[in-house]
Amino acid sequence: EAGVTQFPSHSVIEKGQTVTLRCDPISGHDNLYWYRRVMGKEIKFLLHFVKESKQDESGMPNNRFLAERTGGTYSTLKVQPAELEDSGVYFCASSQFLQGTEAFFGQGTRLTVV
Amino acid sequence: AQSVTQLDSQVPVFEEAPVELRCNYSSSVSVYLFWYVQYPNQGLQLLLKYLSGSTLVESINGFEAEFNKSQTSFHLRKPSVHISDTAEYFCAVYGGATNKLIFGTGTLLAVQP
Repeated sequence: EAGVTQFPSHSVIEKGQTVTLRCDPISGHDNLYWYRRVMGKEIKFLLHFVKESKQDESGMPNNRFLAERTGGTYSTLKVQPAELEDSGVYFCASSQFLQGTEAFFGQGTRLTVV
Repeated sequence: AQSVTQLDSQVPVFEEAPVELRCNYSSSVSVYLFWYVQYPNQGLQLLLKYLSGSTLVESINGFEAEFNKSQTSFHLRKPSVHISDTAEYFCAVYGGATNKLIFGTGTLLAVQP
């Protein structure tokens, strides 16, 4: 069974450009999460989808970030326009159920804004 | 609000020595606790978790963690480490009404020959 897959693995863009990150969760997992780790800091929650609906987007930094989950399958996270402080590793995770169940993480997308 | 503290950003240790990675959490409600590991160039993997029951939980590769409610701790231990244990370890809490993990800042375990 395939795990959580993220594309691209690395992205280097200039300030002001747009970048779209993609996450393919494990098939059948209704819950999909985005997290971000800025260098040297903790991994922080961005948002949570249940199927195609945004359950919690309290961690989204600002309105330059837009997340979607088409048909409850894969998800995209768009940053437009990118700023220097957006650099970091973006992780996607999925889980079948909620409380206490294992969240399976992807390898992450390392975003560098120059 | 919930929070997780990992006081040690880096722990150097020699191969076959014991190690303890510290984790303290803050929460006003019952929690589920996790340790995730990130090996070089890989994603996060669940190492072990505490949901309820026995306060001592073990992983398949020799790590164990003990939930201590009075000290609000969930320290990770291994009696004898290997070079292959070199990785970054993250403690996380999941509980209350929030359906999300709260992570600590991570501890880099560097095992030296």
